[in-house]
Amino acid sequence: DADVTQTPRNRITKTGKRIMLECSQTKGHDRMYWYRQDPGLGLRLIYYSFDVKDINKGEISDGYSVSRQAQAKFSLSLESAIPNQTALYFCATSDGLGTANEKLFFGSGTQLSVL
Amino acid sequence: GQSLEQPSEVTAVEGAIVQINCTYQTSGFYGLSWYQQHDGGAPTFLSYNALDGLEETGRFSSFLSRSDSYGYLLLQELQMKDSASYFCADEGEGTTDSWGKLQFGAGTQVVVTP
Repeated sequence: DADVTQTPRNRITKTGKRIMLECSQTKGHDRMYWYRQDPGLGLRLIYYSFDVKDINKGEISDGYSVSRQAQAKFSLSLESAIPNQTALYFCATSDGLGTANEKLFFGSGTQLSVL
Repeated sequence: GQSLEQPSEVTAVEGAIVQINCTYQTSGFYGLSWYQQHDGGAPTFLSYNALDGLEETGRFSSFLSRSDSYGYLLLQELQMKDSASYFCADEGEGTTDSWGKLQFGAGTQVVVTP
């Protein structure tokens, strides 16, 4: 079984709909992240959480919200989806040892298409 | 702020050596990480350089020069399975708040041909 699981793997939705992407992990890591990947732009950080009570915005948080329901679960919501949110979304975890060189473990991604 | 620049694509034949360069401009810097991604799958960690010099892990090596704000990933004895995208990343900003918040380059697509 995957250590970092994202659901759904693929989603097609319409403009204006509310969408939730879910992420769960069995690695026991405190730190969880949501990244977005667009062709030619690499991975960009949307939100991150260093523990259950900690939520922080990344570089592109507008139009998104998150919820850290438990150490193992971190969900990303698009309140009102728009076409330029069409992208590949990755959840990631790290062990948060409090040093530089955080090694990230990624889920398999969710391909979201907003029509 | 920071940015990382790397070439968009590199093509090489099986058995060859490929070097993927990454230059960074960051107000603070801890070290450079490299990740591999196959066909839109999950990125996976390859290596990390905190200090200047070469780190070797099997066929892959990574190098860092802080004075030149430059690093590279070296792929030796290329195999078809090495066809993938490779991303450099750093934590930048020079504060402990940036630990764990990796920022990535746009990626280099490596195409290995027979």
